[in-house]
Amino acid sequence: GAVVSQHPSWVICKSGTSVKIECRSLDFQATTMFWYRQFPKQSLMLMATSNEGSKATYEQGVEKDKFLINHASLTLSTLTVTSAHPEDSSFYICSAVEWDYGKEQFFGPGTRLTVL
Amino acid sequence: GNSVTQMEGPVTLSEEAFLTINCTYTATGYPSLFWYVQYPGEGLQLLLKATKADDKGSNKGFEATYRKETTSFHLEKGSVQVSDSAVYFCALRGAAGNKLTFGGGTRVLVKP
Repeated sequence: GAVVSQHPSWVICKSGTSVKIECRSLDFQATTMFWYRQFPKQSLMLMATSNEGSKATYEQGVEKDKFLINHASLTLSTLTVTSAHPEDSSFYICSAVEWDYGKEQFFGPGTRLTVL
Repeated sequence: GNSVTQMEGPVTLSEEAFLTINCTYTATGYPSLFWYVQYPGEGLQLLLKATKADDKGSNKGFEATYRKETTSFHLEKGSVQVSDSAVYFCALRGAAGNKLTFGGGTRVLVKP
């Protein structure tokens, strides 16, 4: 149980285009989902917290207009990188929390974005 | 604010060697502490956790003890295997809320 999937696992796009990344909780309902960014050989940086049916809460320094987050249901959250540029290339990881598990976060496998 | 500091890697060991990865934290109140492992090309997996002082988390031969007096949560394994090669992250979650604060990660390479 407690499986989180991400799609796609990797994506290459041209500069200026938008890319959508999906995060799904497969066997539980996620009250909260988190989006992280991980640079090569570095730690995870929390980008935003999303709760189903409400606006995402972004961490300081994260552009909300560039990284659009939609938590449409209790099993799906999406991150859209708008007008992507090479500096947006990174590994994006989501996690989901089910309240019954005592706030433990379950992580997706990550999505590698490369912007040419 | 909360912060986690862990030893920088990479750490290179021979199989069956003893592994220690130091982790110290700064937090208000009584946080929960975690170790996550990230294998190449994969997401994070919870390795072990401790929710209160003097608790010992253990899993797959790894152990860590929540030491409030030294604000530490060092990870240890007595005999590592090649399959333990991964990046290890120490993290804390504050007493309120769900947010995790991660350390910088420690890459471990175990050679046969």
